[in-house]
Amino acid sequence: EDQVTQSPEALRLQEGESSSLNCSYTVSGLRGLFWYRQDPGKGPEFLFTLYSAGEEKEKERLKATLTKKESFLHITAPKPEDSATYLCAVHKDEDYGQNFVFGPGTRLSVLP
Amino acid sequence: DSGVTQTPKHLITATGQRVTLRCSPRSGDLSVYWYQQSLDQGLQFLIQYYNGEERAKGNILERFSAQQFPDLHSELNLSSLELGDSALYFCASSVVASGGYEQFFGPGTRLTVL
Repeated sequence: EDQVTQSPEALRLQEGESSSLNCSYTVSGLRGLFWYRQDPGKGPEFLFTLYSAGEEKEKERLKATLTKKESFLHITAPKPEDSATYLCAVHKDEDYGQNFVFGPGTRLSVLP
Repeated sequence: DSGVTQTPKHLITATGQRVTLRCSPRSGDLSVYWYQQSLDQGLQFLIQYYNGEERAKGNILERFSAQQFPDLHSELNLSSLELGDSALYFCASSVVASGGYEQFFGPGTRLTVL
């Protein structure tokens, strides 16, 4: 069965304290892995798509990496405005269409 | 602002009723995806349409149905509502950009079933 897990469930950091979030997956027919940021009560905001092991993408203080079984979202010198829930999702090609399986998310709090 | 619009923002109804949620994708995007997000289930993929045709089905109940119209807007119909259907419902549209596949979510419709 396809599964996506994320750890830790919640993370509290001091401003400037770098850390990493983990996304582990077991899926068949992986087409890509997505990272999103979600603020309370709002729709997820697209961050990155990764397609192959060894791929890395960066955006401001965020860097996403991908291996064959997991992905990491590295947050360098975070600021309070980085506080949000970070979701990862695997994108699968299922025959004709596409399907997305989301992880439960990591709630990040960055304290000033 | 992602460019994906959803109406209404909030919906309060009673068990057994039927509601319709509406979504307009970003201009030019042909795909529409529907998701349900509840506290205990996380974000669950329901169904995808591409240019008017159903493309993929996820964990969508038989009481739920969707369609995409020629102008590409989509509607999600929820019937015989139960308390457990209370959730945030998101739609998203997608595009293949230079960096790869990107998906953009609307602001959601919060459904409360009393």
